[in-house]
Amino acid sequence: DIQMTQSPSSLSASVGDRVTITCQASQDISNYINWYQQKPGKAPELLIYDASNLEFGVPARFSGSGSGTVFTFTISSLRPEDVATYYCQQYDNVPPKATFGGGTKVEIK
Amino acid sequence: EVQLLESGGGLVQPGGSLRLSCVASGFTFGSYAMSWVRQAPGKGLEWVSSISDRGGSRYYADSVKGRFTISRDNSKKTLYLQMSSLRAEDTAVYYCAKGRRFFAPWGQGTLVTVSS
Repeated sequence: DIQMTQSPSSLSASVGDRVTITCQASQDISNYINWYQQKPGKAPELLIYDASNLEFGVPARFSGSGSGTVFTFTISSLRPEDVATYYCQQYDNVPPKATFGGGTKVEIK
Repeated sequence: EVQLLESGGGLVQPGGSLRLSCVASGFTFGSYAMSWVRQAPGKGLEWVSSISDRGGSRYYADSVKGRFTISRDNSKKTLYLQMSSLRAEDTAVYYCAKGRRFFAPWGQGTLVTVSS
């Protein structure tokens, strides 16, 4: 089974800072990785799909990159409303299954 | 607007059964794969199961295989998760979500508590 290692598990940054989260897959997953935001008490929301595609309606300060085994999620300029936990998720075809990273809790310094 | 509304959660004893439902609106339900994802209290997300658009293909996490059954009724625009032989570690908020490769949107979730 493919494992997803997400880092850091938490971070604190100032408003306006650039924030970067990394997910490493245990084997090549091409670009089959997605990123979600989960605010406290709410359901997760899709931000990025297939490594770098911005979901409709998601602000452009969110972006994703990478391919193969190492992937990066970036908030270009952190805003107070971005306080949330962010998860990566990979999709495997054989057998069809999904695996989430452990999550990164983002707070404002 | 796409909406997903789960129901059926509650308190159940270990070894018991429960059926979750998820009613969809705002999209052509029968054209999309659907999935269940759960989140134990204070923990991360765990994919549980997915089903193809017509229900012919079903996939399960190893942790629930043989105990949970996913199904759908496209005429009722409803997704189901039949859970049996429930264990304490199945305690979680269960979300239904549209899609199988990626999940969007998600319902608000329904809490399942397995405890004596």
